[in-house]
Amino acid sequence: EAGVAQSPRYKIIEKRQSVAFWCNPISGHATLYWYQQILGQGPKLLIQFQNNGVVDDSQLPKDRFSAERLKGVDSTLKIQPAKLEDSAVYLCASSSYHYNEQFFGPGTRLTVL
Amino acid sequence: SQQGEEDPQALSIQEGENATMNCSYKTSINNLQWYRQNSGRGLVHLILIRSNEREKHSGRLRVTLDTSKKSSSLLITASRAADTASYFCAPSEIQGAQKLVFGQGTRLTINP
Repeated sequence: EAGVAQSPRYKIIEKRQSVAFWCNPISGHATLYWYQQILGQGPKLLIQFQNNGVVDDSQLPKDRFSAERLKGVDSTLKIQPAKLEDSAVYLCASSSYHYNEQFFGPGTRLTVL
Repeated sequence: SQQGEEDPQALSIQEGENATMNCSYKTSINNLQWYRQNSGRGLVHLILIRSNEREKHSGRLRVTLDTSKKSSSLLITASRAADTASYFCAPSEIQGAQKLVFGQGTRLTINP
């Protein structure tokens, strides 16, 4: 089965610019996650979708970050405007159910200058 | 929400030796999962142990869970250079969204 796909793999932007990341989960997986991983740290959950509804977004900086999951399949994560501290790897993951094993994509490495 | 705290933060051993990593958490869990992350790459799921299980094996991996002590351990036997990676434990909350909360991980280095 195909894995979780993410694009782009790398992105360099200047502060105050906008950026968007795309994720295509494993077919049939109801739960989709976006994580932020800063160098040297573990992944931090930003938002969790169950189908196209938000289950948890308690750690999403909502003044600048937004995410949507159209039709319960693909998802996009947007940052507007970006700050220097947003430099990180953004990981997308999916699972068949919310407490099952998660399958991660390769991530998008964002550098904000 | 709780966080899995791994110990040690870094571990360096010789190829062929066994590596043991520990994880502690704070509250009741549905299950506990271990993941591996090779440098610059995404996370890979290794093993899931449910709250009513005490031990689980997968190849060279052995995971134990002690819910009374709120702790888990991951043992990698006969280590190989390819095992060099960061290892994360992730407890799954029993309440709410049952999300995983990752710790900072154990950085394992296998020396040839």
